[in-house]
Amino acid sequence: DGGITQSPKYLFRKEGQNVTLSCEQNLNHDAMYWYRQDPGQGLRLIYYSQIVNDFQKGDIAEGYSVSREKKESFPLTVTSAQKNPTAFYLCASSISVHAGNIQYFGAGTRLSVL
Amino acid sequence: AQSVAQPEDQVNVAEGNPLTVKCTYSVSGNPYLFWYVQYPNRGLQFLLKYITGDNLVKGSYGFEAEFNKSQTSFHLKKPSALVSDSALYFCAVRGEYNFNKFYFGSGTKLNVKP
Repeated sequence: DGGITQSPKYLFRKEGQNVTLSCEQNLNHDAMYWYRQDPGQGLRLIYYSQIVNDFQKGDIAEGYSVSREKKESFPLTVTSAQKNPTAFYLCASSISVHAGNIQYFGAGTRLSVL
Repeated sequence: AQSVAQPEDQVNVAEGNPLTVKCTYSVSGNPYLFWYVQYPNRGLQFLLKYITGDNLVKGSYGFEAEFNKSQTSFHLKKPSALVSDSALYFCAVRGEYNFNKFYFGSGTKLNVKP
């Protein structure tokens, strides 16, 4: 999974609780991404960031928030507004958002609701 | 709209036989096409990509893919399957006019039997 570290590997959320998933990369990449993976649905983009202090909503941003205060870090908060948070969350990075650049993925965080 | 279709949820092949995992796409402008592989509870690993040039692209672990512009397809192939190739395979596309996002297919589970 290269130089992208996601933590924790497993996370449990109680009703009404916000939880934060960590994503750190040491690849010196400008662009970072968060995806949600559900069985049979492939990957869906939650948020992406092209550069520090900038981020954009993806296709399913409702109930999620992010920050990009440092180049190497892109944490994802799953808020209580996300009513169906159980999924596998994947963080990725690429050198830039140029179309031909490869995205490199972390090992993922599996989030479940208690 | 950009999209990727992987028409087969599952592909079963015997070890030593050739394998094909199908992918078709829809994108504005020239496509940038990728194949990734995912092992259980892990992130995605890059296999190969097509940007321009030769329609037959060679990648990691003996995999190759053929770009067919007229059929808007990018099928993944391997001449001789291994049991260790069993995994979930994702096709992804970026368009040259909307390159901020990857669009992933729903995935195809490859089962290689001894």
